[in-house]
Amino acid sequence: EVQLVESGGGLVKPGGSLRLSCAASGFTFSNVWMSWVRQTPGKRLEWVGRITTLTGGGTTDYAAPVKGRFIISRDDSKNILYLQMNSLKTEDTAVYFCTTYNRYNALDFWGQGTMVTVSS
Amino acid sequence: DIQMTQSPSSLSASVGDRVTITCRASQSISTYLNWYQQKPGKAPKLLIYTASSLQSGVPSRFSGSGSGTDFTLSISSLQPADFATYYCQQSYSNPYSFGQGTKVEIK
Repeated sequence: EVQLVESGGGLVKPGGSLRLSCAASGFTFSNVWMSWVRQTPGKRLEWVGRITTLTGGGTTDYAAPVKGRFIISRDDSKNILYLQMNSLKTEDTAVYFCTTYNRYNALDFWGQGTMVTVSS
Repeated sequence: DIQMTQSPSSLSASVGDRVTITCRASQSISTYLNWYQQKPGKAPKLLIYTASSLQSGVPSRFSGSGSGTDFTLSISSLQPADFATYYCQQSYSNPYSFGQGTKVEIK
């Protein structure tokens, strides 16, 4: 059974940093592209970014609002996906989900999400 | 960036009704269109990918159609478990944008 478990969320001040983790199990993590998606308090879903497999170059892409501030990485030896968030803004407040990609670029499995609140 | 627009934003329906939700892309996305269902407090769940392919384990009362810019999600006979919010998402090009959601409520 595929399981994705996010952790690391919490309350942080504007300008601060936070690192989210997503522990994966039930599939061959190293073979799968992964992404982060966030859901705002208004329930809007926003794609944050994605990382390809390391054998595919470990290429990352980011949405414009987070580019240059957020970094996605993966540790295939531990089956963990990371999201390093720097220079946080109040508009980054959201529930953050990690997801897998299927071969058609659909997001086929999702974690339960972790809440990030950016507030002074 | 590609903008995705869903309609309606919400609808009320009864058990057994046929329900149709539409999604329009701001430019052609071929069939790179996915549908998700989200219930309160839960993560979204993939229902349909590439416009019309049913995800494993999803009931056959769900179906999707369309190509280019116009897409539909249909539920042939609404069941109590189907009251939720539905989102479309394009996977044609980064950023993989979502529609604003359609909330299906009990009439």
